[in-house]
Amino acid sequence: DGGITQSPKYLFRKEGQNVTLSCEQNLNHDAMYWYRQDPGQGLRLIYYSQIVNDFQKGDIAEGYSVSREKKESFPLTVTSAQKNPTAFYLCASSVPGQGARDTQYFGPGTRLTVL
Amino acid sequence: DAKTTQPPSMDCAEGRAANLPCNHSTISGNEYVYWYRQIHSQGPQYIIHGLKNNETNEMASLIITEDRKSSTLILPHATLRDTAVYYCIVRVAGAAGNKLTFGGGTRVLVKP
Repeated sequence: DGGITQSPKYLFRKEGQNVTLSCEQNLNHDAMYWYRQDPGQGLRLIYYSQIVNDFQKGDIAEGYSVSREKKESFPLTVTSAQKNPTAFYLCASSVPGQGARDTQYFGPGTRLTVL
Repeated sequence: DAKTTQPPSMDCAEGRAANLPCNHSTISGNEYVYWYRQIHSQGPQYIIHGLKNNETNEMASLIITEDRKSSTLILPHATLRDTAVYYCIVRVAGAAGNKLTFGGGTRVLVKP
């Protein structure tokens, strides 16, 4: 089945530790995105990548880092510099430049709790 | 991207049509209307999108007014599994960065 997978579903970390969230897609999509969602709120864009080996900061990139070494993978590292990392993290992918067909499809999310 | 306004919540009876309104009075000519929904603790799910014409797919219908300042998402026969938060988003398709700006959405509760 084609889709986006995120692992793990739940993640607990101690304050001050870096943690990496996985996002993999087999949809052959060029573009991938990371969003953060806080309780009762909408999504906020952290980073996005439109092509392998390239990525751009979103609205709330501080305290996060990403890499895009493979088309299928776009891992997100939450660093100790992120002041309030506890949140629900969502990865998405799309085929950019397709006009109205540039629809983003989301993974199931990772809920990160920093203790 | 243009802002959208949606009612914060609405109830719907199972088996009946659910009509979800969205106002986007500042929409530009090249902006599309997208609808997503998010079931609790899951990733958002794409439903439908449109530019000017009404659209229909297996999940829903999208009715856009002639002046494009508002739209309505119609779930023709709501089921309990349609309980979710529904987001109306207006954006330029294919733009660099191309983030989705989610507002508060409408929390839809389908009741038996």
